[in-house]
Amino acid sequence: EVQLVESGGGLVQPGGSLRLSCAASGFTFSSYWMHWVRQAPGKGLVWVSRIDSDGSSTSYADSVKGRSTISRDNAKNTLYLQMNSLRAEDTAVYYCARLSTAVTHNNYYYYMDVWGKGTTVTVSS
Amino acid sequence: DIQMTQSPSSLSASVGDRVTITCRASQSISSYLNWYQQKPGKAPKFLIYAASSLQTGVPSRFSGSGSGTDFTLTISSLQPEDFATYHCQQSYSTPYSFGQGTKLEIK
Repeated sequence: EVQLVESGGGLVQPGGSLRLSCAASGFTFSSYWMHWVRQAPGKGLVWVSRIDSDGSSTSYADSVKGRSTISRDNAKNTLYLQMNSLRAEDTAVYYCARLSTAVTHNNYYYYMDVWGKGTTVTVSS
Repeated sequence: DIQMTQSPSSLSASVGDRVTITCRASQSISSYLNWYQQKPGKAPKFLIYAASSLQTGVPSRFSGSGSGTDFTLTISSLQPEDFATYHCQQSYSTPYSFGQGTKLEIK
């Protein structure tokens, strides 16, 4: 079964740090780009970060740039998000998602077809 | 960055109704538009890519259309399990931004 399982969330004080993990199984993890997406309570989905298949290229939303680092260990089939200098506005459920591709008429369409159940980060004193 | 706007933000409908949700992009994204369904306390579920191509296993009562800046998700005959929040997402350029979501509720 194709599966993503997040962990590492919790309650942290403003200014603190957390490392989120996402364990992949049931597919060739090293072949896929991976993303983190978050959802604040009662709000919509917000893209956070992405990493390419071998970890050589990363990208971040402006809201976390400079405070977060995405990484992966393909030998362990695990994706990470290190979050530092946490703020109240980082409070959210954090999902990892697999990016897949479909090719139609020589056009490459990207979509997040597998999602974990999420891990909750609460930043509060 | 490309902004995605969904309308309405919420919608009440009955089982058997035909409903349409709209998603608008702040610039042309060709057909690089995805739709997801999310139920309370659950992860999003991928439904549609390339504006109109259904993911394997998605019921045929779901359909998507549009290109450029304007897109729609239509459910032809609502079933009880369809009451959820629907999110659009553009995959034309990074960051792959989402709309704010449309909550579909039972009337």
